[in-house]
Parts: sequence; C-alpha cells; structure tokens
Amino acid sequence: QSALTQPASVSGSPGQSITISCTGTSSDVGTYNLVSWYQHHPGKAPKLMIYEVTKRPSGVSHRFSGSKSGNTASLTISGLQAEDEADYYCCSYAGTTTFVFGGGTKLTVL
Amino acid sequence: EVQLVQSGAEVKKAGESLKISCQGSGYSFPSYWIGWVRQMPGKGPEWMGIIYPGDSDTRYSPSFQGQVTMSVDKSISTAYLQWSSLKASDTAIYYCARRDSGWTLDNWGQGTLVTVTS
Repeated sequence: QSALTQPASVSGSPGQSITISCTGTSSDVGTYNLVSWYQHHPGKAPKLMIYEVTKRPSGVSHRFSGSKSGNTASLTISGLQAEDEADYYCCSYAGTTTFVFGGGTKLTVL
Repeated sequence: EVQLVQSGAEVKKAGESLKISCQGSGYSFPSYWIGWVRQMPGKGPEWMGIIYPGDSDTRYSPSFQGQVTMSVDKSISTAYLQWSSLKASDTAIYYCARRDSGWTLDNWGQGTLVTVTS
C-alpha cells in the first residue's frame, strides 16, 4: 500500500476537466507545501507537471493546476486533450530527506 | 537541457550482484542530489534514498538500508545503485531522479527494468 492515496483511475472526454486527489497525512502533505505531480507514459521518464503544490515548470501547459487542503492535494487538468492520457503520480516531501508517493492514477481520455 | 540516462534492462538470477547506472548531463552534476526510486510491478513508486555527488553523502530510506548501495563517480557524472545478492523480490523498475535546489525531484531517468529469476 502506497503512502499517499490516489484513485486508481479517472476518465473524461476531450475538453472536460478532471481532478485527481492525493491524500496523505499530517506528517507529509499536511505539513509540507512540497507536493509534486508527475505525468508518466510507460517506458518514458516521468515528467514534472506541478511542484510545491501549485507551481508549474516552464513549458507545462496552463491547463494543469494544483492545490491543497489539509492532508489532501489535488491535480486539475482542464480542457482535456488526448495527449493527456497517461499515469499520474503525486509525491510529497516527508521530512528527513524522505519522499512518499501515491499509487498512481490512470487517466483515460474517452 | 538536463538529462538523466539510465543503463539498460537487466535479467539476473537470485544471488547474483548487479550495478545499474544513471548518467547526468546538461547541468553541474556534483551540485545536485540524485535520488533512487523503486517501482515494483503494478505498484506505486517507493523512495529508496538519495546521494550527493559532491561528497557522496548518502541517506537511505530505512526500508532499503543495508539492501542496496548508492555511489557516484562524479568524474563521469554518473550515479550507481548496486546489489550484492539479488532476490526475486528486487524485480522492479528503478528510476533515478535529480532533486532541485528545493525539495522537488525535477528530472527523472527513463528507468531500468531489473528482472531477477529464482
């Protein structure tokens, strides 16, 4: 069982918005504003989409946004596109040079 | 462009040793911590530990302490993860990732699939 809890799958139609949740504890997500989200196409390197809860790296579409409330972080993808279909993982810093990850969410674009 | 390129897939027998690599380019390799992450089949990623190439300072996750060894050769901008005696339960994809100046793993390698047969 992963340290952070994500839904196993979500789906949406092109143009719609979806939100993926990531629930941790007061020892990780709840304490640190250091949640990141990764897009992963199997066989490729995971790609950083959101860091420090809400920040977008250069080159990442504005359609991707992040937020946090208490022990739960969320990734929202608006204006879904076929290319968004991938696995998404959340990650939180958990203190003493340790990170914890979610189990991953498979996004299907219908 | 920051890149982390990992060594190719490995198939080993239980009890054998193995060393996989992660070569960084496009940035000052000694100046950024490199972390290692395991992803077992059908599971989420797990944090293994992190090493600072500048001085080889290494911090292992308790779950992996004593099970693996992390090292670097900064002269060739390469980090390593090694096992002295593999187990079937070590079968997984192993990723290296660079920690940025804060606490984000900002660039990842493509992963190395390690398959251990019993």
